[in-house]
Amino acid sequence: GENVEQHPSTLSVQEGDSAVIKCTYSDSASNYFPWYKQELGKRPQLIIDIRSNVGEKKDQRIAVTLNKTAKHFSLHITETQPEDSAVYFCAASIRPFLIQGAQKLVFGQGTRLTINP
Amino acid sequence: DTEVTQTPKHLVMGMTNKKSLKCEQHMGHRAMYWYKQKAKKPPELMFVYSYEKLSINESVPSRFSPECPNSSLLNLHLHALQPEDSALYLCASSQVIGRQGFPYEQYFGPGTRLTVT
Repeated sequence: GENVEQHPSTLSVQEGDSAVIKCTYSDSASNYFPWYKQELGKRPQLIIDIRSNVGEKKDQRIAVTLNKTAKHFSLHITETQPEDSAVYFCAASIRPFLIQGAQKLVFGQGTRLTINP
Repeated sequence: DTEVTQTPKHLVMGMTNKKSLKCEQHMGHRAMYWYKQKAKKPPELMFVYSYEKLSINESVPSRFSPECPNSSLLNLHLHALQPEDSALYLCASSQVIGRQGFPYEQYFGPGTRLTVT
């Protein structure tokens, strides 16, 4: 069935270093790939997303790359800061229902990122 | 206004109770979602409403009953829940899929933390 795998499950980096989180998806029809950050006790918040017609997108210290052939996409955070510590979820859209306009996201299992000062 | 609100923040209910969770958004979004999130797990889709009609039901038990009274409101009625239903229930909203077929960002509410005793 529809599946998104996310690695690693935990990641610890020194402040100022870069962090990379990788996801693979199974549905070749997936065309939208968001990344959410969730701090403890708070709601998931979108940090960056990418559509299937783009190979890379960057927003300040955050970038996402997409390889449709290999069905994987990655989150890159540069110059990490303590406030980047959180759980990060990747997601992929699954067979959007074009008639009714509905969409379905399947999430990866999450990566707990810890930035060490 | 780019916020999704949910009430109540916390809810404790017995297995024989009937309660409702409420969600509201004023962004003009015509797609609304209910997710269930257990501790240290990703959000898991339960229901999707598109143009106030139920579009996706992820085989959720009938003790969960969604309702979309209008384009701004989404309810989740709870009856005869089990202790394993204890979780964070997240509401989200988004624009419906555009003509190019790409989904849009989902905005999450803060969630209702439900405990079933």
